[in-house]
Amino acid sequence: DAKTTQPNSMESNEEEPVHLPCNHSTISGTDYIHWYRQLPSQGPEYVIHGLTSNVNNRMASLAIAEDRKSSTLILHRATLRDAAVYYCILYSGGGADGLTFGKGTHLIIQP
Amino acid sequence: EAQVTQNPRYLITVTGKKLTVTCSQNMNHEYMSWYRQDPGLGLRQIYYSMNVEVTDKGDVPEGYKVSRKEKRNFPLILESPSPNQTSLYFCASSLQGGLEKLFFGSGTQLSVL
Repeated sequence: DAKTTQPNSMESNEEEPVHLPCNHSTISGTDYIHWYRQLPSQGPEYVIHGLTSNVNNRMASLAIAEDRKSSTLILHRATLRDAAVYYCILYSGGGADGLTFGKGTHLIIQP
Repeated sequence: EAQVTQNPRYLITVTGKKLTVTCSQNMNHEYMSWYRQDPGLGLRQIYYSMNVEVTDKGDVPEGYKVSRKEKRNFPLILESPSPNQTSLYFCASSLQGGLEKLFFGSGTQLSVL
């Protein structure tokens, strides 16, 4: 699977929108973009995923660049409970069938 | 409630003493997987299973065994644990592999002395 690049950490204020970037310049046409997050002392939790079009769900929005070489996870109104490590992962299936988690972005929310 | 249940939550053992970490899911998922998480290395896949009696190696399978005799259970077996297997372990399941939403357990913190 292709590699992703995320900032090590980001800080935001409570009740403000948060934009978490992810670069994936070597993405292939069949790679889906997945986002998971891991709250302290918990297992990872699915957030959202998409292929080409922007996606929305109750947790977040995923904005995918037209050339698919980057994407942004958008938390519309951050709360303290959104403080977590956010992982951007590319996956297309086949071969060793698993998601490869990088180091992610540590999101800090200030009250 | 849909969930992946791992036991135990914490385990301290000594080198060479066989142990099993259990994992069970109640969502009738076909796919199950084990990961280990270490500081600075992120989550790495140990083994996965696409269905009953079908298992395959992930990125770091050495020193581990798994079995999938029934759909809901996917135990992780350490036949002869060593200190370098001290780690936080997560079990995960999904309907059909990584393209589907993965559900993770709460984790098992293992210390091998």
